[in-house]
Amino acid sequence: SQQGEEDPQALSIQEGENATMNCSYKTSINNLQWYRQNSGRGLVHLILIRSNEREKHSGRLRVTLDTSKKSSSLLITASRAADTASYFCATDDLDTGRRALTFGSGTRLQVQP
Amino acid sequence: DGGITQSPKYLFRKEGQNVTLSCEQNLNHDAMYWYRQDPGQGLRLIYYSQIVNDFQKGDIAEGYSVSREKKESFPLTVTSAQKNPTAFYLCASSNAGQRFSGSYEQYFGPGTRLTVT
Repeated sequence: SQQGEEDPQALSIQEGENATMNCSYKTSINNLQWYRQNSGRGLVHLILIRSNEREKHSGRLRVTLDTSKKSSSLLITASRAADTASYFCATDDLDTGRRALTFGSGTRLQVQP
Repeated sequence: DGGITQSPKYLFRKEGQNVTLSCEQNLNHDAMYWYRQDPGQGLRLIYYSQIVNDFQKGDIAEGYSVSREKKESFPLTVTSAQKNPTAFYLCASSNAGQRFSGSYEQYFGPGTRLTVT
């Protein structure tokens, strides 16, 4: 079953607006990662946040992590048309020790110029 | 150029035929992974390998097989036993994660789109 589930499934905003995507997961984790996928391409790693961190920034990206609620959010500020893509969260699994990531179903972001 | 390559980009096969998808990396990563992605969906883990000559089943391994004879290569065979093989297949690599220190970022190839008719 999918560990991470993103919300919303799809998001359409105007250029310059902020975009917020949420991710929920089910197990204990070491870290949570966010990836981006342009249509028909491979995924690109955006940011990793460890379970003992609550917030992390990278350029226009801000990620929060709430391990008590098993949830994370990705905020993209001042969005650009080039940010149009699908965004996925991915988690490892501290409970089973499986050394592989489980990906959510993704949020499709459309930024209108 | 360091990176991960998949070939071919598009692959067409007749039902009942086995087909092998190539994945090569020169990033010196110990771990490699295969995922399947269906339209509008997330990634589902097929197989993964943390070290040469060892691999583990993921969530949807039925109808697939892999080998890991070299660190750089992790080919995936889609067998005729796979009921719905048409999909986008993604290969990735990373440093090998540890249970209590967590996973590392994964580097993805460009993908192979397999169509079986």
